[in-house]
Amino acid sequence: GAVVSQHPSRVICKSGTSVKIECRSLDFQATTMFWYRQFPKQSLMLMATSNEGSKATYEQGVEKDKFLINHASLTLSTLTVTSAHPEDSSFYICSGRDTHTDTQYFGPGTRLTVL
Amino acid sequence: KQEVTQIPAALSVPEGENLVLNCSFTDSAIYNLQWFRQDPGKGLTSLLLIQSSQREQTSGRLNASLDKSSGRSTLYIAASQPGDSATYLCAGRNSGNTPLVFGKGTRLSVIA
Repeated sequence: GAVVSQHPSRVICKSGTSVKIECRSLDFQATTMFWYRQFPKQSLMLMATSNEGSKATYEQGVEKDKFLINHASLTLSTLTVTSAHPEDSSFYICSGRDTHTDTQYFGPGTRLTVL
Repeated sequence: KQEVTQIPAALSVPEGENLVLNCSFTDSAIYNLQWFRQDPGKGLTSLLLIQSSQREQTSGRLNASLDKSSGRSTLYIAASQPGDSATYLCAGRNSGNTPLVFGKGTRLSVIA
């Protein structure tokens, strides 16, 4: 299957700092990428949908000014958690949609810990 | 909007047993449904994908079914092994453009 990478895999930061997470589709073009968040022992909750070259669409309750999403190319989307707080600590997983197969492929996730 | 529910939330079985995990969804106009496995602290591993036109998919000891009319899918695991212990997630979507919506998962423990 197609491959999606995420970087970094783990990050620990101080409260108030910003953290950028990269999501890349390695062998397919992803015009659409999805960002999910997973709290411990919970399921994946969709945060936002990003389309290449346009603004992201955020789910209800997700602050667009706090979670900045950029999808500047067909293979790269970034999520920046601005002014991170301990409650932002979570597992963030991105997913790219392969336009040709209509299949979603998932990255390995990024574990964010905010101290 | 699609909603996905999984029952039970947790399941513990002895090694060798056959078992069934259940998933239900609210919108029968489902485009496809996918089963994933997630190990603690890890990402998702896709197990089986069932298109709306299909009734089941099989891979090794795994068999997934889809019944759109009843809004249900099952994941059957034959001859369970301790290595099958993980959380199993069911997810569905309503079109090729929309994202997968996940259930809360079933935590499976297979006891040796």
